[in-house]
Amino acid sequence: AQTVTQSQPEMSVQEAETVTLSCTYDTSENNYYLFWYKQPPSRQMILVIRQEAYKQQNAMENRFSVNFQKAAKSFSLKISDSQLGDTAMYFCALDNDYKLSFGAGTTVTVRA
Amino acid sequence: EAQVTQNPRYLITVTGKKLTVTCSQNMNHEYMSWYRQDPGLGLRQIYYSMNVEVTDKGDVPEGYKVSRKEKRNFPLILESPSPNQTSLYFCASSQGSLAANNEQFFGPGTRLTVL
Repeated sequence: AQTVTQSQPEMSVQEAETVTLSCTYDTSENNYYLFWYKQPPSRQMILVIRQEAYKQQNAMENRFSVNFQKAAKSFSLKISDSQLGDTAMYFCALDNDYKLSFGAGTTVTVRA
Repeated sequence: EAQVTQNPRYLITVTGKKLTVTCSQNMNHEYMSWYRQDPGLGLRQIYYSMNVEVTDKGDVPEGYKVSRKEKRNFPLILESPSPNQTSLYFCASSQGSLAANNEQFFGPGTRLTVL
């Protein structure tokens, strides 16, 4: 069985500042994929970033970057220069060949 | 426009009354999946399908059925809904395994309330 844990139910950040969301996971597989999804109030699920476990280099997409620590089974998301549009719930997810497991989510509020 | 559609978007029903939530994608995707989202639990996979006539259980399949008779459609069936199936449901599709760098596209969600 695989599990994903997000220990921060809510986080608040001032506009233009940086916030880091934590995610830990457990899997017995060696090859897997990790994702961060964003769910704004519209409820639409939007892929933010993905990381392949066999790649050591941390993924980066514009203001979003990850810190992937495979040995520690940790996959944190950093949002730099936070914008009001970043206000959403963020889910960490682990994929192992068609089975996708999600964390409980972290609600991020960006303050003006 | 490439999309995953779900119907209905909102549904209030009563215990025991069979219902079907439809899911359709227009991207010729092989892989489709159903999730339910509950507060504090995130999204949990109910069933998934790797291709026509091929389905398998996810983490929470009890009380649900699915079928994949056509590539584009993947309906979720609740034969006898109960209040603990009140949830937000998402259908998703992708060209293949996420491991092969295929992005998963989500539908807009169906809010189901079972009284």
